[in-house]
Amino acid sequence: QKEVEQDPGPLSVPEGAIVSLNCTYSNSAFQYFMWYRQYSRKGPELLMYTYSSGNKEDGRFTAQVDKSSKYISLFIRDSQPSDSATYLCAMSAGSNYQLIWGAGTKLIIKP
Amino acid sequence: KAGVTQTPRYLIKTRGQQVTLSCSPISGHRSVSWYQQTPGQGLQFLFEYFSETQRNKGNFPGRFSGRQFSNSRSEMNVSTLELGDSALYLCASSLTGAMDTQYFGPGTRLTVL
Repeated sequence: QKEVEQDPGPLSVPEGAIVSLNCTYSNSAFQYFMWYRQYSRKGPELLMYTYSSGNKEDGRFTAQVDKSSKYISLFIRDSQPSDSATYLCAMSAGSNYQLIWGAGTKLIIKP
Repeated sequence: KAGVTQTPRYLIKTRGQQVTLSCSPISGHRSVSWYQQTPGQGLQFLFEYFSETQRNKGNFPGRFSGRQFSNSRSEMNVSTLELGDSALYLCASSLTGAMDTQYFGPGTRLTVL
């Protein structure tokens, strides 16, 4: 079993919908949680960064961490065709540990 | 500010050959990490270099090696290539390491025939 599980999709939704992307993990030591977005033929770019449990909002994006359930989510409101990309979650136990990545979920927003 | 650059962008090799990939980080960034990305596997961590020293290493065989120069530029070498080494190899730079924002290059697409 992988340390971080992420549904590869593709997830296809109409423009304007609320999107929910999720990752589950098994290592209870993880404290740092990140979401990266990767467009085709590009490297990933950081979208959201959260520490420990709770919510964090940035514009149309909300990151949520539930450490008790070992579950993290990324919500995208008012989704746009430009949000079509692969979304990767990544997490770490701390600065002396490497980042562990999910496989990525491919998201398609239909105009 | 120039981003992370990787050369070459595409590479085709045959089994048994060796290959060297290059990464130039963002100016001022001292940490460079290398990842292998394959469909369904996500990003697999290869190694991280900081100030010319390997600071962290993933679970890859010894055929995969790297180094970092005094100007923070980094190279990754894969010897005795296998078909399974076909992947996108990504380089990421950051100021201090994995807990910092990592800035990725576009990757080198390696195909092993």
